[in-house]
Amino acid sequence: AQTVTQSQPEMSVQEAETVTLSCTYDTSENNYYLFWYKQPPSRQMILVIRQEAYKQQNATENRFSVNFQKAAKSFSLKISDSQLGDTAMYFCAFTEISGTYKYIFGTGTRLKVLA
Amino acid sequence: NAGVTQTPKFRVLKTGQSMTLLCAQDMNHEYMYWYRQDPGMGLRLIHYSVGEGTTAKGEVPDGYNVSRLKKQNFLLGLESAAPSQTSVYFCASSYPGQASQNTEAFFGQGTRLTVV
Repeated sequence: AQTVTQSQPEMSVQEAETVTLSCTYDTSENNYYLFWYKQPPSRQMILVIRQEAYKQQNATENRFSVNFQKAAKSFSLKISDSQLGDTAMYFCAFTEISGTYKYIFGTGTRLKVLA
Repeated sequence: NAGVTQTPKFRVLKTGQSMTLLCAQDMNHEYMYWYRQDPGMGLRLIHYSVGEGTTAKGEVPDGYNVSRLKKQNFLLGLESAAPSQTSVYFCASSYPGQASQNTEAFFGQGTRLTVV
């Protein structure tokens, strides 16, 4: 069974600094997608960034980028120039491309950006 | 665009009562999901559907039933609520197969359910 592990329950970062959130996963599949979702206090789940496993190039979205290491099954999220609005719970998620397309989530990392 | 809409947003139940959570999506998505979110446990899959008329069990299906009579709706039922079902429930939908497009799950705003 696929699993997603986030080993950092809580993190904090000073405004304008850079922070990296860790995620590892386990799968026997070769083709899959990985995601980072943000959940602010409003509770809404917001997609931050996605990565296709067949792409070697790391995905970037403005201040957000990932370090995708397929062999190590690692998928970390880097937030540059942290802003107060980045304060939220962040979830790493995985889904295989074939089959049931179930989305498997990690337990989350609560990030607090300090002024 | 409404996206994924959940009804209700909040509910308090007494132990043993029943209720149905409604999820509606207007994106013509084939796949729909019900998750529960509990502190320290992330989102866990309860049931899911790969198309109209189909349902399947997820990671934590006990105590819940689902139905997908129409493509746009996915209902989650609790026949006899228990305090252990106190949680935040999320519905999501997706449209797999659109390579590199819309591969993510789209979520509703969540339902906070308290069973006393």
